Amino acid sequence: DSGVTQTPKHLITATGQRVTLRCSPRSGDLSVYWYQQSLDQGLQFLIQYYNGEERAKGNILERFSAQQFPDLHSELNLSSLELGDSALYFCASSARRTGSNEKLFFGSGTQLSVL
Amino acid sequence: GESVGLHLPTLSVQEGDNSIINCAYSNSASDYFIWYKQESGKGPQFIIDIRSNMDKRQGQRVTVLLNKTVKHLSLQIAATQPGDSAVYFCAENGGSYIPTFGRGTSLIVHP
Repeated sequence: DSGVTQTPKHLITATGQRVTLRCSPRSGDLSVYWYQQSLDQGLQFLIQYYNGEERAKGNILERFSAQQFPDLHSELNLSSLELGDSALYFCASSARRTGSNEKLFFGSGTQLSVL
Repeated sequence: GESVGLHLPTLSVQEGDNSIINCAYSNSASDYFIWYKQESGKGPQFIIDIRSNMDKRQGQRVTVLLNKTVKHLSLQIAATQPGDSAVYFCAENGGSYIPTFGRGTSLIVHP
């Protein structure tokens, strides 16, 4: 068990809908990362938050947004869903001291199916 | 056009053999590398990391080798066990502290 909790484990929804994925980082970790894993694109970095602030952005669509709350949990919001958004969404956390490289601890993911 | 599925390279070994999984990285600015293991239905799990000031690092049953000249990384697993069956990813930091993952290699261990 990595200590990172993601809910829900599975989500089935329809095109055009909006969903929220939730992540609780490991105790004490200040940094949260979101990744998307699909069959044709592998594991793609979406966005990173550190202590409530956005720190880095990757290949995140404008229809997607995220935030990190004062208690350090994070939510990834996906709107106007398309079939191609079906994927595994992972959250990872690290202590992320500024300027350091650290290993990430991943949750078990949320499997999103858009029908 | 048709979308093409992610065809992972696959390495099949017998239980007890040593396994070597290779990874070519692309960014010469990368100075930190990590190997992750992903079992079916789970998230990636840290195995071992290495910084660019080293060319070899050993862990428990695993060794990572780094060749910066040709931008190549390898993961060696000694005495491979069925529980080692998983997809293995290398990740590089690209100088940005954000891990960029490779496509992965599927390791299948036959008892």
